Amino acid sequence: DAKTTQPTSMDCAEGRAANLPCNHSTISGNEYVYWYRQIHSQGPQYIIHGLKNNETNEMASLIITEDRKSSTLILPHATLRDTAVYYCIVRVGAGNNRKLIWGLGTSLAVNP
Amino acid sequence: DVKVTQSSRYLVKRTGEKVFLECVQDMDHENMFWYRQDPGLGLRLIYFSYDVKMKEKGDIPEGYSVSREKKERFSLILESASTNQTSMYLCASRTGISTDTQYFGPGTRLTVL
Repeated sequence: DAKTTQPTSMDCAEGRAANLPCNHSTISGNEYVYWYRQIHSQGPQYIIHGLKNNETNEMASLIITEDRKSSTLILPHATLRDTAVYYCIVRVGAGNNRKLIWGLGTSLAVNP
Repeated sequence: DVKVTQSSRYLVKRTGEKVFLECVQDMDHENMFWYRQDPGLGLRLIYFSYDVKMKEKGDIPEGYSVSREKKERFSLILESASTNQTSMYLCASRTGISTDTQYFGPGTRLTVL
């Protein structure tokens, strides 16, 4: 069963920040939050991950609440090419048996 | 540039046929995965392999088997295809260390008639 819940869909204007929320209220202390996205007709693509601290890379920022029960992915200046399904995922397990538990994702539409 | 390739983008098979889906990665990754993706169900893990000749069942292994004879290649086998195996099949690979950055292929859309 998925350990995350996300809005089914969201809209964003081109050039504006896209803030995608995720709820993971049952996450355990050693479980990471991962974000991937899937552009139409392609395989999923890794974006970012974190455990407790906020993270930033060239693609996005990840803000995790102090209680770790929710997080937000931020695309600072959304472009039309950011239109995709965004998955918030919890990683469970350890060593070779660690795996990603995928939810249903948020379909983000970036509009001109 | 990292690359995961899958043998076909689209495949149509008949019920009862044996089906092979091939996946090749060029990143020297230890771990490889097979998922299926269905509307309303998301990505579900079928099998994974953490090393050559090693395999582990995922969440939905029934009706499938896998083969990993070489590090770069991971095959998914449907011994006797059924209509409920019509789906998008995605292969991924990752390094064996702690990260879970998985690299995905473009997917194979399999239709079983």
